Amino acid sequence: GAGVSQSPRYKVAKRGQDVALRCDPISGHVSLFWYQQALGQGPEFLTYFQNEAQLDKSGLPSDRFFAERPEGSVSTLKIQRTQQEDSAVYLCASSLGLGRYGYTFGSGTRLTVV
Amino acid sequence: DAKTTQPPSMDCAEGRAANLPCNHSTISGNEYVYWYRQIHSQGPQYIIHGLKNNETNEMASLIITEDRKSSTLILPHATLRDTAVYYCIVRVNPNTGNQFYFGTGTSLTVIP
Repeated sequence: GAGVSQSPRYKVAKRGQDVALRCDPISGHVSLFWYQQALGQGPEFLTYFQNEAQLDKSGLPSDRFFAERPEGSVSTLKIQRTQQEDSAVYLCASSLGLGRYGYTFGSGTRLTVV
Repeated sequence: DAKTTQPPSMDCAEGRAANLPCNHSTISGNEYVYWYRQIHSQGPQYIIHGLKNNETNEMASLIITEDRKSSTLILPHATLRDTAVYYCIVRVNPNTGNQFYFGTGTSLTVIP
């Protein structure tokens, strides 16, 4: 596609509910990142994939967070037993190579846990 | 990655140059300076990056001081659409896929 596509655009979850957020990177892009952005803050790194390999997951805040990219294209970020502090915008970014000239970000999924 | 310091907010008159400063006094020799911006309700957008030489592209110019401890992003003729949060980021070796550390950025408001 022309850009990085994320769905859903908005998600409201009840506390304790599991959610799955989808990222469709630009076709052929090797690198894929997930970021979390709280209100009024800059994006914070969650995890990084190179093709299907998850090379860095050091930013995942707890074991309730899980990300996968099984075929090296579409990625899913799953949050189990959501808590109110999980409310944020979740951003996905991709790059053709290793990102020397920057990454292309999607518009994000705004998750609100009530 | 080195930390950066940016003013929290700035105003600029439409049509004038916007000069956004960034301090990165602990930058090391292999760290690049990147600039991104984020318009409301959108994901961050890459603007420009550099190592030690000044850089220019269709969006902006990046001026890095000789000691590399600070830099300035210049938008030569600011428009209302340039209103956004601008992030200055330093990052080691862009060929290794390391993540970006965004900080809180500078909120630029372009005034008609």
